[in-house]
Amino acid sequence: GAVVSQHPSRVICKSGTSVKIECRSLDFQATTMFWYRQFPKQSLMLMATSNEGSKATYEQGVEKDKFLINHASLTLSTLTVTSAHPEDSSFYICSANPGYLSTNEKLFFGSGTQLSVL
Amino acid sequence: QKEVEQDPGPLSVPEGAIVSLNCTYSNSAFQYFMWYRQYSRKGPELLMYTYSSGNKEDGRFTAQVDKSSKYISLFIRDSQPSDSATYLCAMSAVGFNKFYFGSGTKLNVKP
Repeated sequence: GAVVSQHPSRVICKSGTSVKIECRSLDFQATTMFWYRQFPKQSLMLMATSNEGSKATYEQGVEKDKFLINHASLTLSTLTVTSAHPEDSSFYICSANPGYLSTNEKLFFGSGTQLSVL
Repeated sequence: QKEVEQDPGPLSVPEGAIVSLNCTYSNSAFQYFMWYRQYSRKGPELLMYTYSSGNKEDGRFTAQVDKSSKYISLFIRDSQPSDSATYLCAMSAVGFNKFYFGSGTKLNVKP
């Protein structure tokens, strides 16, 4: 299957700092990438849809100024958690669809990033 | 009503048992159906993908889709302790800009 690389796998930061998470599609081009958040023992919560070359689409209740998404190329999307606070501590996962926006056949996930804000 | 419903479990079975995991959905437009396995603190791993209705088999795993009943299943034969994980169903369709996930079923296979 297609490979999606996510980095870092774990980050601990102080409250008030910003953290950047990278998501790369290694062997395919991804017009669309998705960012999810997952709390312990819960399912995936879609935060935003990242489209290459355009602004991300955020889900209701997700602060776009808090969670900055940049999808500058067909193989890289980044999520920056700005001015992180303890309540932002969570497991963040990216995913990519190796196809055009209208062909949602398969979705491949990165390995996830565990963010802990002290 | 949620788009996709999945029993959260936990489901505990002895090694070697046949496991049946299920999801129901409400949107008849869904065409693409996926099953993911997720170990704790890891990203979901795509196990099975099915387009439209029918069965698909891959080793010990069989995915079934019944679009008339809006019901999908994942069967695991000869379950192993290494199969212990959370299993997520997901679905989408042409023209949809997102995927819809079940809440996940936690499976525990006891040695």
